[in-house]
Parts: sequence; C-alpha cells; structure tokens
Amino acid sequence: EPEVTQTPSHQVTQMGQEVILRCVPISNHLYFYWYRQILGQKVEFLVSFYNNEISEKSEIFDDQFSVERPDGSNFTLKIRSTKLEDSAMYFCATSGTLAKNIQYFGAGTRLSVL
Amino acid sequence: AQKITQTQPGMFVQEKEAVTLDCTYDTSDPSYGLFWYKQPSSGEMIFLIYQGSYDQQNATEGRYSLNFQKARKSANLVISASQLGDSAMYFCAMREVFSGAGSYQLTFGKGTKLSVIP
Repeated sequence: EPEVTQTPSHQVTQMGQEVILRCVPISNHLYFYWYRQILGQKVEFLVSFYNNEISEKSEIFDDQFSVERPDGSNFTLKIRSTKLEDSAMYFCATSGTLAKNIQYFGAGTRLSVL
Repeated sequence: AQKITQTQPGMFVQEKEAVTLDCTYDTSDPSYGLFWYKQPSSGEMIFLIYQGSYDQQNATEGRYSLNFQKARKSANLVISASQLGDSAMYFCAMREVFSGAGSYQLTFGKGTKLSVIP
C-alpha cells in the first residue's frame, strides 16, 4: 500500500540551528501539506503546497519556515533558526485530488530543540 | 470559536462493545468534508473515514461508521466490536473549500483518548 515517508523519525538539534525535514509523497499525489503537533495538543496546519508554490500558510508559518520540492519527489520543510517552541511532531500529508482531499499522513518527525 | 469540538477527552469501552466518539463542527461553507484519524501511541496519523457534506449516506469503512447529522453539525465516529488495538487518540477534522487558493487544509479537534478494556 502506498505511503508517505518521512525522515528522520527523530531529530535533536540545538536552538538556533537549521533543520530540514523530509517527506516523500505518495507517487501520484499533487497536494502537499505540513502540520505540527506540540506534545499533548491538537494537530495544527502549517502550509500547503501545490504546483511548486505555497497555496496557503498559517500564522505559525513565519519567515523562519520554508518549503520546497527540490527534485520533484522529496518535499521538505526547513526551519532556519530553531527555537525551543519549535519542538513538536511534524507531519507531512499528501493528497491526490481535491474532490475528497483525503490527506494521508506520514509517521511524523519528532523535533526536539535543546 | 472552535471549528471542531470533541467534548470527550477520554473514553473507556469494553472489548467487543461498540463506542461512539463525538464530534461537532462549525462552518458556513456549504461544501465541506469531515474526517476521522487515529493516532496510536507510536504517533502516526492513520486515516479512518471520510464524509462529504453532500453525501446522502453515512460513511462506513469496516468496523468504522460515521453518524452524520448535518442539521446538528455533528459527525460522530462509531467503532463496532472494539478491539484492544483500537486504544488510541482519535481526531475529528474538517476540510472547508476556500475560495481563491483553495488549499483545503484540515482543521483538527483536540482529540479523544479511547481505552479498550479487556
């Protein structure tokens, strides 16, 4: 069964460092999303991406964040200078169509900022 | 205002019994979708079931069914014949159709922790 693959599963970094979280979408999916979940809280939308550009972003997605699809397969989320409050589980989700827009999630990357 | 409300922070159910997890939503968009996801302790988010706002029938997927009451704006998840492996967090989510960019982001509720008792 096709699945969304995220790497790494766990990333530990020092405050102020840059991190890149990677996602390999399901192969024929065209709509990509990043969400985050701070421990014990609900899942929050960060950004959506379609046709090689951001289609929507939340207030959380400030200038420290960026996304790209560097090679036509991977979809990455970069946090330029991590803060303690960036510690969370980051989920990539992808969808094939807008009709139902069922978003399939990866297993997540747990980011710990020290 | 909360767009998705899950009023049960935790629920217990006996193995093999049925359980209903509540979800109410708030939207003025006539076209929307409702989703349920399961998050086991391992952390991944697993899609369970989808209901479109124009769907005439309640959605069913195996042991999962969605009790969709449009006028009440509720979309409760029913799990029949509970199994120990059903113990997890369950999130209700909504997708609204935005004009313009139309990103179709999901808005999640706070979740319900279901514990299945042997």
